[in-house]
Amino acid sequence: IAGITQAPTSQILAAGRRMTLRCTQDMRHNAMYWYRQDLGLGLRLIHYSNTAGTTGKGEVPDGYSVSRANTDDFPLTLASAVPSQTSVYFCASSDTGDGATEAFFGQGTRLTVV
Amino acid sequence: AQSVTQLGSHVSVSEGALVLLRCNYSSSVPPYLFWYVQYPNQGLQLLLKYTSAATLVKGINGFEAEFKKSETSFHLTKPSAHMSDAAEYFCAVRSYNQGGKLIFGQGTELSVKP
Repeated sequence: IAGITQAPTSQILAAGRRMTLRCTQDMRHNAMYWYRQDLGLGLRLIHYSNTAGTTGKGEVPDGYSVSRANTDDFPLTLASAVPSQTSVYFCASSDTGDGATEAFFGQGTRLTVV
Repeated sequence: AQSVTQLGSHVSVSEGALVLLRCNYSSSVPPYLFWYVQYPNQGLQLLLKYTSAATLVKGINGFEAEFKKSETSFHLTKPSAHMSDAAEYFCAVRSYNQGGKLIFGQGTELSVKP
């Protein structure tokens, strides 16, 4: 089934450790996004990529980095995790050639930093 | 800048009753608007979207929404609630920058009582 795959589905991570959340899409969408979801705050954009080879900062980029080496993959890295990064992380993709096209979401990664 | 506001973080209805979830948007340009649903421990799934083709938009699972420019609203309705409708609902507007990201409201949790 076409869509977005995120890994891992959940993780408990010690503070100070490095972690990469993986995201792969098979819809050949040009744009990809990473959001974090926190209770009462909805979804907030961390980083985005318009197309392979380009990335940009969203609303809450501090402590996170991304890369977009190809169309399909958009990994999110926490260089040195802190407890405030405990959250549910969603990867999404969209074909932004048509603004009416919706974004498609993965199932999320639940990250707990202790 | 574009934004959306969802009125009411929690709505409770009885099974068979009308569901009304409120969303107001702010946009200086004609907006693309979306409603997503999130079931527990799952990703976001598109319910419906407004793309300017018609002001009354019908979505999946019997939901519909009406775009009212004069009220800057895009409220979600369903004539008769079902127990399976219990979930978190997010209204979103597409941004014209940052990779065409979706800007989300804080979400409304819908509870359905038997």
